Amino acid sequence: AQTVTQSQPEMSVQEAETVTLSCTYDTSENNYYLFWYKQPPSRQMILVIRQEAYKQQNATENRFSVNFQKAAKSFSLKISDSQLGDTAMYFCALSNTGNQFYFGTGTSLTVIP
Amino acid sequence: DAGVIQSPRHEVTEMGQEVTLRCKPISGHNSLFWYRQTMMRGLELLIYFNNNVPIDDSGMPEDRFSAKMPNASFSTLKIQPSEPRDSAVYFCASSLSGMATDTQYFGPGTRLTVL
Repeated sequence: AQTVTQSQPEMSVQEAETVTLSCTYDTSENNYYLFWYKQPPSRQMILVIRQEAYKQQNATENRFSVNFQKAAKSFSLKISDSQLGDTAMYFCALSNTGNQFYFGTGTSLTVIP
Repeated sequence: DAGVIQSPRHEVTEMGQEVTLRCKPISGHNSLFWYRQTMMRGLELLIYFNNNVPIDDSGMPEDRFSAKMPNASFSTLKIQPSEPRDSAVYFCASSLSGMATDTQYFGPGTRLTVL
């Protein structure tokens, strides 16, 4: 069975500081994809970053980067230079090669001015 | 609790047919969300309900899509007529209060294939 766990229901960070959101997962697949989605108060989902499991290099997108530890089944999201617009729910998700998706329960991030 | 329950898990249909997806939220949860996931567009919010009332349906693609929540323990997402571009995984999620910071629990999804 595939599972995704986000153990931090809520987090906060000062504007311009760095914050790391945790995600662990379990899968028996060798090839899979990992995602971080952002859901602002508007409720629309925004894809933040995506990582292919077979790639060793950690994905980065501007201020967003991941620390992908395949052996530990960990996929944390680091947000650098936090901005007020980063305030949102963040979902970690796993997709296996069968295009099934599994989501964590989300981490609510608040950026404090 | 059994978590969010969705049925069917897989649906294969032909273009033009009506499709109905079903969701049972976690007991006691007051908010329910319908999402669509494709590799091209990612995860899209289609509609969400608070206390059985639709709050925001701006994500519903077009008139072919409709969603109902007749009571606190059941919701449906209907596509009529279905088209091949509707092929996706459809997720239902529920949360306790519907606040933007509330934990959302996702169901296993329904994989829809329209031929």
